[in-house]
Amino acid sequence: KQEVTQIPAALSVPEGENLVLNCSFTDSAIYNLQWFRQDPGKGLTSLLLIQSSQREQTSGRLNASLDKSSGRSTLYIAASQPGDSATYLCAVRQMDSSYKLIFGSGTRLLVRP
Amino acid sequence: SQTIHQWPATLVQPVGSPLSLECTVEGTSNPNLYWYRQAAGRGLQLLFYSVGIGQISSEVPQNLSASRPQDRQFILSSKKLLLSDSGFYLCAWSVEGQTEQFFGPGTRLTVL
Repeated sequence: KQEVTQIPAALSVPEGENLVLNCSFTDSAIYNLQWFRQDPGKGLTSLLLIQSSQREQTSGRLNASLDKSSGRSTLYIAASQPGDSATYLCAVRQMDSSYKLIFGSGTRLLVRP
Repeated sequence: SQTIHQWPATLVQPVGSPLSLECTVEGTSNPNLYWYRQAAGRGLQLLFYSVGIGQISSEVPQNLSASRPQDRQFILSSKKLLLSDSGFYLCAWSVEGQTEQFFGPGTRLTVL
């Protein structure tokens, strides 16, 4: 059974710092991995999607990497801003016929001005 | 561009009452549609998904049901709500054959 873990559960950093959020999964037979952002009381915003054949994806100040063999992904945020404060979720899709995304419990990020 | 709507945004219902949450998608045809629940202190859990009109797959046995009466409409229902049904319900869609999922704004359900 696939399990997705995100560490740390919460993170507080001063504005301007570069930071790394971690996501690990127990079953490496994944189709892809998706990173989301969730603001309090809101839906999820898709940030980056990495296919299993890819090593990384970049969008602006965000860079996500994937090491499928070790069951790890990282989300790197450069030059963090207070507007980056949110909960960040990673989710994997299994390499089977299911469309299900299996989510981690998230990392709650606070960027202090 | 594609947009996804959910209503109501918030709902407070007594135990034993019925439920109907609606999700609609605009700007795409034949999407895959999904219902997730995010309970306090827990991650998101897939409840139902649909690959076409009238085609519903259930992931978790529960007190809820889903229907897809139209191509871009997905409804989550219950005949009698339980306290444990409280949570944040999120609808999502993806393009048929592709896998990136896009989420709606969610409905906060509180069962008293």
